[in-house]
Amino acid sequence: QSALTQPASVSGSPGQSITISCTGTSSDVGGYNYVSWYQQHPGKVPKLMIHDVSNRPSGVSNRFSGSKSGNTASLTISGLQAEDEADYYCSSYTSSTAYVFGTGTKVTVL
Amino acid sequence: QVHLVQSGAEVKNPGASAKVSCKASGYTFTTYVMHWVRQAPGQRLEWMGWINTGNGNTKYSQNFQGRVTLTRDTSASTVYMEVSSLRPEDTAVYFCMRGAIIAHFDYWGQGTLVTVSS
Repeated sequence: QSALTQPASVSGSPGQSITISCTGTSSDVGGYNYVSWYQQHPGKVPKLMIHDVSNRPSGVSNRFSGSKSGNTASLTISGLQAEDEADYYCSSYTSSTAYVFGTGTKVTVL
Repeated sequence: QVHLVQSGAEVKNPGASAKVSCKASGYTFTTYVMHWVRQAPGQRLEWMGWINTGNGNTKYSQNFQGRVTLTRDTSASTVYMEVSSLRPEDTAVYFCMRGAIIAHFDYWGQGTLVTVSS
């Protein structure tokens, strides 16, 4: 199972919006609404930010939103803040009852 | 509240095996699946497999099939991940995560660093 494809880095200024893409295939992202997104600060444990494509867990800021079109899912961070600087990973359920993570995206707040 | 507490860091020689534990608390152990992922230094997350804590069924990533074994002890609310025939490239932080067979990973252990070096 190949990793889902994410841009290596995305940057934005405070207050701006950025979008991170996550591209898979019809056997994973395109075939199921079980895409989730995780935020990981350096040396820390990943944190669930979005599940089931667009659902936010309790306690996660509404500045984070998710969507999907075809084989590509997206995470949008609006009103970018310094604390959003981190690595972000997408994950998808796959047709073989397994999971696959994305290649990861480093978000930099300029 | 939900807690997943993993065992401590290990240093192993190439060819040896490592066994990492993950003790769950704060919920009914057998109602959730436990997943494992690993993250090599500076690298991405890599999903390894899951174990159904209720019936013991397992599913492994093709990348780890035959080298990773997941087991559980329901009386201790603990899941174990054993990786055999260790190579230096297996040096990574290994995480356990609570989830379902089809779902996301809502709670994570603190991670266990396994270092493979002669």
